Amino acid sequence: GQNIDQPTEMTATEGAIVQINCTYQTSGFNGLFWYQQHAGEAPTFLSYNVLDGLEEKGRFSSFLSRSKGYSYLLLKELQMKDSASYLCAVRDQAAGNKLTFGGGTRVLVKP
Amino acid sequence: DVKVTQSSRYLVKRTGEKVFLECVQDMDHENMFWYRQDPGLGLRLIYFSYDVKMKEKGDIPEGYSVSREKKERFSLILESASTNQTSMYLCASSSHGLAGGEQYFGPGTRLTVT
Repeated sequence: GQNIDQPTEMTATEGAIVQINCTYQTSGFNGLFWYQQHAGEAPTFLSYNVLDGLEEKGRFSSFLSRSKGYSYLLLKELQMKDSASYLCAVRDQAAGNKLTFGGGTRVLVKP
Repeated sequence: DVKVTQSSRYLVKRTGEKVFLECVQDMDHENMFWYRQDPGLGLRLIYFSYDVKMKEKGDIPEGYSVSREKKERFSLILESASTNQTSMYLCASSSHGLAGGEQYFGPGTRLTVT
């Protein structure tokens, strides 16, 4: 089976930086995804990592260390619209390449 | 613009009713998925399909069945709805291929079983 852990909730100030950590255990790692989900809406894709290192996309970056079973999503220059849940998901080749999601981290951005 | 649509945004059904949730994607994706999302439990996979007429059980298939007669359409069926199936149901699709293959989600159906 798989185990994916991420914090339940984080609070940060507008303009600041927040780092959301995700740790996982899986037998056939084949990629890690980050999704953003605003309240009452569907998740939308943010980033994908399959090799170690940092992937940068504008204000958002995602990092992966396969040896440590660890990823983080970095949100820079926070805006009020970044208040949302952020979901970490791992794809497992040993499980038919389906995604398993963590419980999500709710980020609240305050003025 | 990629699009996944679901037949209803909100649905109220009675215990014991048969419930059909429809999902359609216009991206010619091979893979389609049904999840339910509950507070504190995150997204959990019910069933998925890699191709027409193919289906695979996810993590919580009990009480559900699926149908994929056409590539673009994936239906979730609750044979006899129960109150513990009250939840948000999300459909998703993705292409084959290991490079990326991110899932695109529909808007969700909030089902209440009374």
